[in-house]
Amino acid sequence: DTGVSQDPRHKITKRGQNVTFRCDPISEHNRLYWYRQTLGQGPEFLTYFQNEAQLEKSRLLSDRFSAERPKGSFSTLEIQRTEQGDSAMYLCASSLRDPSSYNEQFFGPGTRLTVL
Amino acid sequence: DAKTTQPNSMESNEEEPVHLPCNHSTISGTDYIHWYRQLPSQGPEYVIHGLTSNVNNRMASLAIAEDRKSSTLILHRATLRDAAVYYCILRDKTSGTYKYIFGTGTRLKVLA
Repeated sequence: DTGVSQDPRHKITKRGQNVTFRCDPISEHNRLYWYRQTLGQGPEFLTYFQNEAQLEKSRLLSDRFSAERPKGSFSTLEIQRTEQGDSAMYLCASSLRDPSSYNEQFFGPGTRLTVL
Repeated sequence: DAKTTQPNSMESNEEEPVHLPCNHSTISGTDYIHWYRQLPSQGPEYVIHGLTSNVNNRMASLAIAEDRKSSTLILHRATLRDAAVYYCILRDKTSGTYKYIFGTGTRLKVLA
């Protein structure tokens, strides 16, 4: 399977704990995005990387959230001191930067976080 | 980014055409219209996109109003597998941002 993969698929944690999610994009894709989705809502943009550079961050990405893409391949999203309001589906997407064609975003299956 | 308005839900019978509307009255001349859908327990997937002209692909057709203030996603023969939330999204092709701003979408129910 050459799609976007995310790990873990589900995470249950207690309030105050730190969690880290991983996203492996499609191999040749140099753009990577993180979104968050709560029940009944559409995905909300969190942050975006081009290669290893984090080029845009949403105001939703508080200082408890940090994302990295150290070698321009996989990415991690860490949430420190989790709160119940962080419970959501965290989606990763990737796309190719090709000015000559449409660069659709391919989404992974998501990591569902439950904070107790 | 310009805002889109979609009905919360729609129903269709299996093997009948479905027309999913989207209003975007504040669209700018450089906004592309994108449609994604999200099947249950999956991430969104690309359906189709367009700028001014109507577009067809293997999944669907996109009909864009002449004034571009609305568009319609057309599924020619709905199947049970098309039951999903459909999102209409605008993104400025000239902006330096590549994020999508999703609304709440239209939940399509397909009846057997």
